[in-house]
Amino acid sequence: DIQMTQSPSSLSASVGDRVTITCRASQSISTYLNWYQQKPGKAPKLLIYAASSLQSGVPSRFSGSRSGTEFTLTISSLQPEDFATYYCQQSYTTPHFGPGTKVNIK
Amino acid sequence: QVQLVQSGAEVRKPGSSVKVSCKASGGTFSSYVFSWVRQAPGQGLEWMGGIIPMFDTATYAQNFQGRVTITADESTSTAYMELSSLRSEDTAVYYCAREDLGGDSTGYYYFPDWGQGTLITVSS
Repeated sequence: DIQMTQSPSSLSASVGDRVTITCRASQSISTYLNWYQQKPGKAPKLLIYAASSLQSGVPSRFSGSRSGTEFTLTISSLQPEDFATYYCQQSYTTPHFGPGTKVNIK
Repeated sequence: QVQLVQSGAEVRKPGSSVKVSCKASGGTFSSYVFSWVRQAPGQGLEWMGGIIPMFDTATYAQNFQGRVTITADESTSTAYMELSSLRSEDTAVYYCAREDLGGDSTGYYYFPDWGQGTLITVSS
C-alpha cells in the first residue's frame, strides 16, 4: 500500500497569511494526487486534482505543486472561510487519504 | 455536477449489519465509479471500497474485506454499502463519492462529488 503523510498535522494562521501544507507519498505516484477541504459536519470538497489542477469554482488563492513524491497545497492569502481541515489523497492505486492538516485561527 | 443523496442516520447493535444507500442524479450512472469513505468521530477519511456499476465489479480495502459489500442498482441509479458484524469502532459518518469511469479526459481520478454523509451509530 502507498502511505501518505501530511505536515503539519495542524497550524494556526491569521487572515491574509500564506499557508503551505505538505503531503508525502511513500513511493512514486506521479501526479496522481488530489487535495480536499473539509469543514465540520460537511462532506469533503475537491480543491485540486492531478497535483496542480484547480477544480472548477475553487478560488485561485489555492494552488498545488509537486516535487518528486512531495506535494504542496498553498493558500496564498488565507480567508475566514478557509479555516478547515485539508486532506491529500493519492489516486495512483486504490484511493488513500493523508491524515489531514487542520488550519486554525491564530 | 452529479448530486448524491444518502439515506438517513441509523443506530445498530453490535453484531448486526447496516445498509446505506446513495442515489445519484444529474448524470449517467453507468459512466461512474462509486466509492464509500468513512470518517470516525474526530478522525480522518478512510476509503472502504468502490464499485463500477457498468461491470458490476467491486473492490474493497483490506481493512474491510469480508465485512463490507458494495452493490449498485442501475435501474434506480443507486449505490449501496452494507457493513456487517458491526462493532462500536464502526460508529462513523459514511460518505459515498463519485469519480469518472476511466478517469477524466486526461486519465486522472478524483472525487468531485460527495454525498452528504450518513451517521451510523453502533451501540448496545
